[in-house]
Amino acid sequence: AQSVTQLGSHVSVSEGALVLLRCNYSSSVPPYLFWYVQYPNQGLQLLLKYTTGATLVKGINGFEAEFKKSETSFHLTKPSAHMSDAAEYFCAVSAVNTGFQKLVFGTGTRLLVSP
Amino acid sequence: NAGVTQTPKFRVLKTGQSMTLLCAQDMNHEYMYWYRQDPGMGLRLIHYSVGEGTTAKGEVPDGYNVSRLKKQNFLLGLESAAPSQTSVYFCASNQGFQETQYFGPGTRLLVL
Repeated sequence: AQSVTQLGSHVSVSEGALVLLRCNYSSSVPPYLFWYVQYPNQGLQLLLKYTTGATLVKGINGFEAEFKKSETSFHLTKPSAHMSDAAEYFCAVSAVNTGFQKLVFGTGTRLLVSP
Repeated sequence: NAGVTQTPKFRVLKTGQSMTLLCAQDMNHEYMYWYRQDPGMGLRLIHYSVGEGTTAKGEVPDGYNVSRLKKQNFLLGLESAAPSQTSVYFCASNQGFQETQYFGPGTRLLVL
């Protein structure tokens, strides 16, 4: 079975500061890992994903994440926060061998950006 | 190209009433999914479909039924709504195992 833990339901940063959103996963098989962003009253939009290959994954809007198997982590970072980054972020895991993409989501982290 | 659309956007039901949520996608995707989102719990999979005419149970299927009679549509039904089904419902679709799931804008359901 797969599970995801997102540390911190809320993270506050100042505009221009580093953004770090933490995600740890549990999976009995090689995982596919995803970060989604949800803006208020909207659906989820994919930021980035890791399937195979390079462990440092770059996504949209300047975000990136690194898959660290030894730490079972997939933390999301952005060097400099922008006001428009304020949203809720979800980490998700999918098992490689399920035959379709069954996503298991974390509980989400709300990013607050102050001027 | 509208992507994934959901109807209705918002609905209020009384306990015991029934309703159907419609999800439509115009990307010719094989796989479709229904999730519910509750505060502090992330998204949980209700039912999914791996192709036209197929459906399967997800993590929280009780109280819901689904149908996929046409490839582009995935219907979620509540036969007898309960307050515990107050939630935001999202539909998603994708083409293949490694492919991105595209989400609809959501349906906000309030059961009184």
